[in-house]
Amino acid sequence: GESVGLHLPTLSVQEGDNSIINCAYSNSASDYFIWYKQESGKGPQFIIDIRSNMDKRQGQRVTVLLNKTVKHLSLQIAATQPGDSAVYFCAENKGNTGNQFYFGTGTSLTVIP
Amino acid sequence: DVKVTQSSRYLVKRTGEKVFLECVQDMDHENMFWYRQDPGLGLRLIYFSYDVKMKEKGDIPEGYSVSREKKERFSLILESASTNQTSMYLCASSPPRSPETQYFGPGTRLLVL
Repeated sequence: GESVGLHLPTLSVQEGDNSIINCAYSNSASDYFIWYKQESGKGPQFIIDIRSNMDKRQGQRVTVLLNKTVKHLSLQIAATQPGDSAVYFCAENKGNTGNQFYFGTGTSLTVIP
Repeated sequence: DVKVTQSSRYLVKRTGEKVFLECVQDMDHENMFWYRQDPGLGLRLIYFSYDVKMKEKGDIPEGYSVSREKKERFSLILESASTNQTSMYLCASSPPRSPETQYFGPGTRLLVL
C-alpha cells in the first residue's frame, strides 16, 4: 500500500506485505529529515533519519528514500507486522539552527492480521 | 536508554487556571523542547531551551511561558488556561553530540473546560 500525507491519512496493509508511506516537504533549504512512529498513547519515537546528501538509507526492515528534485520523502516498511500499526510522520529541519523542525501531520498505518 | 518523563498523562483544568506541565530528562541533554500536537496540524513548537535559564520562542508561544532552572527540567506554563489550549503536549530533549535527534516524552493530554 501507499499513502500520500494529507491526501490519504490512513493506510491499511495485510500482515507480511510491504508498506510505503509518503511525505512531501516544503523547505528546499532543509538538509535533514526524520521519520517518527507514534503509537497510541505514546510520544513519537525516532525510526530513521537521512541527510540531504543521501538518496537512500536503510535500517532494520525500514528504508527511507529522499527525492530532493520533487521534495519527496518516503518510508518503506518491509514485511509489515501488527506491531507496526501506528501513526508515522516525517520531520524536516528548518535549515537554520538545526534544532527546529517542521512536522508532517502523519499517516495512520493499520496492519491487518 | 534516554528517558523523558512528563508529570501527568492527563489533566483537566478550568478556563483561567494557571497550569504547570513538567518535563524531566535523565540524559544530561542541553536542548529541550515543548510542542503541542493537534489533529490535522502535526507538532508545533511552542518554546525551546538550549541551556539552563535560556529560552527561545517557537512558532506558537502566545499564551505560554517556560522555565528552565535546572538542566534536566523544562516546565511549560499556561498563565491563564483557555479552551483553545486543549491539546496533547509533548516534551522532547536532544543530546549535544546529535542535536537534531529529539527524544520525546509520552505526552500530557490537557483538557481545558
